[in-house]
Amino acid sequence: QKEVEQNSGPLSVPEGAIASLNCTYSDRGSQSFFWYRQYSGKSPELIMFIYSNGDKEDGRFTAQLNKASQYVSLLIRDSQPSDSATYLCSMAGNQFYFGTGTSLTVIP
Amino acid sequence: DTAVSQTPKYLVTQMGNDKSIKCEQNLGHDTMYWYKQDSKKFLKIMFSYNNKELIINETVPNRFSPKSPDKAHLNLHINSLELGDSAVYFCASSQVLNEQYFGPGTRLTVT
Repeated sequence: QKEVEQNSGPLSVPEGAIASLNCTYSDRGSQSFFWYRQYSGKSPELIMFIYSNGDKEDGRFTAQLNKASQYVSLLIRDSQPSDSATYLCSMAGNQFYFGTGTSLTVIP
Repeated sequence: DTAVSQTPKYLVTQMGNDKSIKCEQNLGHDTMYWYKQDSKKFLKIMFSYNNKELIINETVPNRFSPKSPDKAHLNLHINSLELGDSAVYFCASSQVLNEQYFGPGTRLTVT
């Protein structure tokens, strides 16, 4: 089993809709959880981090963490074409793990 | 100010050559990393250095050798380059197990 499972997509949503990205992980020792956005040809950039169970909101982004079920998700409200990118989930416990990324396309 | 910088941005070389990629961070972080991202966009960790000590070494061929002269620099030297080494290599830094900041990447093409 991979340490991090992430639906590779591609995921397409219309402009203005909610995009939902999900990750499950196997290392119960993971303590910190991150979402990165990577535009084509660019490096990953951090957009959200969450340490505690529940929701964390930052503008149009909401990260959700459920340690008991070992999943972390990212919701993007009012999706914009500029949100089209690959989204990588990551977690840190004894070491860092990265998912394989979900490709998101927001259709104008 | 660039937080994490890498040089060169592009590197084209022939099989069998030896090359190096340099990385520097000015964030004061204790930990630096090297990642390889292949054509399928999978980000694979190669090495991690914490205060100049190697703390992660995934199953990477020993042709790859990281060198950290100080905690702000982590260079990657690659011997006897092979076609399969073609990828984008990212340097990153963080405080230990906190969010990572990535450099712009080095696109290595081996012909």
